[in-house]
Order: sequence, then structure tokens, then C-alpha cells
Amino acid sequence: DTGVSQDPRHKITKRGQNVTFRCDPISEHNRLYWYRQTLGQGPEFLTYFQNEAQLEKSRLLSDRFSAERPKGSFSTLEIQRTEQGDSAMYLCASTPRETQYFGPGTRLLVL
Amino acid sequence: AQKITQTQPGMFVQEKEAVTLDCTYDTSDPSYGLFWYKQPSSGEMIFLIYQGSYDQQNATEGRYSLNFQKARKSANLVISASQLGDSAMYFCAMREVTAFNKFYFGSGTKLNVKP
Repeated sequence: DTGVSQDPRHKITKRGQNVTFRCDPISEHNRLYWYRQTLGQGPEFLTYFQNEAQLEKSRLLSDRFSAERPKGSFSTLEIQRTEQGDSAMYLCASTPRETQYFGPGTRLLVL
Repeated sequence: AQKITQTQPGMFVQEKEAVTLDCTYDTSDPSYGLFWYKQPSSGEMIFLIYQGSYDQQNATEGRYSLNFQKARKSANLVISASQLGDSAMYFCAMREVTAFNKFYFGSGTKLNVKP
């Protein structure tokens, strides 16, 4: 399967813990996006990479959130000191030019 | 202001009939792209159709067509011959090329296809 993959698919954590999610884009897709989606809403843009450069960050991305794409391939999204409001689906998408292709998402539940 | 507006939270359609899902957008970027995605209950976002701002003809992909009215800033999705498997959330999205290719999504329309 050569689609976008995300790991883990589900994560349950206690408030205050740190979590890290991984996204493997479609190979040769130089653009990678992270989104957050809460129940009943559309995806909200978090951040965007072109190759290894992080070009755009949403104001939604507080200082507890950090994302990296060190070699321009896979990306990680870390949330420090999780809060219950961080509970959501975290989606990753990659694109070569126009169309974004999404991974299956990581569903986070903060207790 | 909302970049993407979907005014229909929920829609019902009879199997085999056509249905139109509404989408309006707001941008001052002269170059942009419009997309529709389907999200079944499993959660994965599935790309359906794309329309570029400079495309002269409306995009079509099988049973999906995008009714692009640039002056009205609308990009409605038309699904012909609805099937039970079309029941899902549908999201309209826009990419602004000059704004670092940032994507904006609407709040979605829940489509239910009745047998």
C-alpha cells in the first residue's frame, strides 16, 4: 500500500502527558500537512511543510504543539502537557501539487 | 469571514436520484483550487474532485461533477444516481496558492441516501 500512513491509529493518554504522532506521506510528495478535526467539524489546518521546511503554522498550534519533518520524508507531531481539549482526530495529508491525499488519522483521547 | 461555507448540515436523497451539495467560498487570491472530499463513518478523507480557478470547464469524475460559478464564488457538488454507499460526510475545501498553499475546509454536509 503506497498511501499516507499514520501511527498510532488510536491513543489514549492522561492529562499532562506528552504524545507523539507519526505520519509517512506518499513517497516523493514534497508537501505535508497536519490537521485537527473535532466531532462534527471539518479539518482545521495546523501546519504545513514543504520538504523539511515548516512554512506555515496556525495560531491553533500553541507552544505545546511542535511538528518536525527532519529529512523531508516522514513527519512527527508532538503535543506536550496534553489537555482534555486536545482530544480530536489528527489528520496528515500529503500532496505533490494540487490534491491532498489523507492518511487514516490518529484519534487522541485525553482523560 | 469564513473561507468555506457549507449551509446544509444534513441532506436526504432517494437512492438513484441526483443531489446537489452547496459550497461557497471567499478568497482574494486569483489562483486557487476547489476540492470535495468524502468522509465515511470510518473517518478517512477520500478525495472526490478538483476544480482549478482558471479551468474553463466544470470538473467531472464519474458520478461526481462540480458546478463551478466563479462570479458567485460557488462550487457545488452534484452526485448523480445516488447509491447507498454515498451516505457520508462531504467536505468542500479550498487551496489558496499564494498563501503557502494553505487549505481551508467547510463544516461539512451529512448526506443520507434512502433506499
